[in-house]
Amino acid sequence: GAGVSQSPSNKVTEKGKDVELRCDPISGHTALYWYRQSLGQGLEFLIYFQGNSAPDKSGLPSDRFSAERTGGSVSTLTIQRTQQEDSAVYLCASSSLLRYEQYFGPGTRLTVT
Amino acid sequence: QKEVEQDPGPLSVPEGAIVSLNCTYSNSAFQYFMWYRQYSRKGPELLMYTYSSGNKEDGRFTAQVDKSSKYISLFIRDSQPSDSATYLCAMSAVNAGNMLTFGGGTRLMVKP
Repeated sequence: GAGVSQSPSNKVTEKGKDVELRCDPISGHTALYWYRQSLGQGLEFLIYFQGNSAPDKSGLPSDRFSAERTGGSVSTLTIQRTQQEDSAVYLCASSSLLRYEQYFGPGTRLTVT
Repeated sequence: QKEVEQDPGPLSVPEGAIVSLNCTYSNSAFQYFMWYRQYSRKGPELLMYTYSSGNKEDGRFTAQVDKSSKYISLFIRDSQPSDSATYLCAMSAVNAGNMLTFGGGTRLMVKP
């Protein structure tokens, strides 16, 4: 079946611009996660959605970052007023209810110039 | 100190070698353990998933968990150049809301 998809695959933006990254999880998965991976670094948790519950935003690095999940499916991660330190690969993952295995999308490579 | 520690490597081995990749952790509540493989410029791919202590085998891959030592391992037998990638361990505690804590990853290079 279809895996997690993300778009765009690459995004180059100028410092100060806003960007939107999209994630389409595996059909039927109730949990959705956003991570950030900087060059040579591990995965940094950003935000977690589970069903209709309030999202866990504890990993968002600043108030310039926000995310929403519409209809329990597609999610959008928005970064306002981008900074050069926001350059990274943004990964989305999804999992089933009560399952711990997360399945990742291919990521969006964001470059802020 | 990070909750999950993983040697970043790189680990270079000849084709056909047995590879041992390891993670140590400090949180005794971790019960679920996973290994992901990540090729360059790709998303992590789930390789193995184990619950609590013990071994699990899948083809050339064996995952081991030693909770008493807070130590997990991934063994790759008959390593191939196509195994060259970064390997990430991840773990979760019961009732942690599916939250995973990742190691930093070990880069593996298998030379023909």
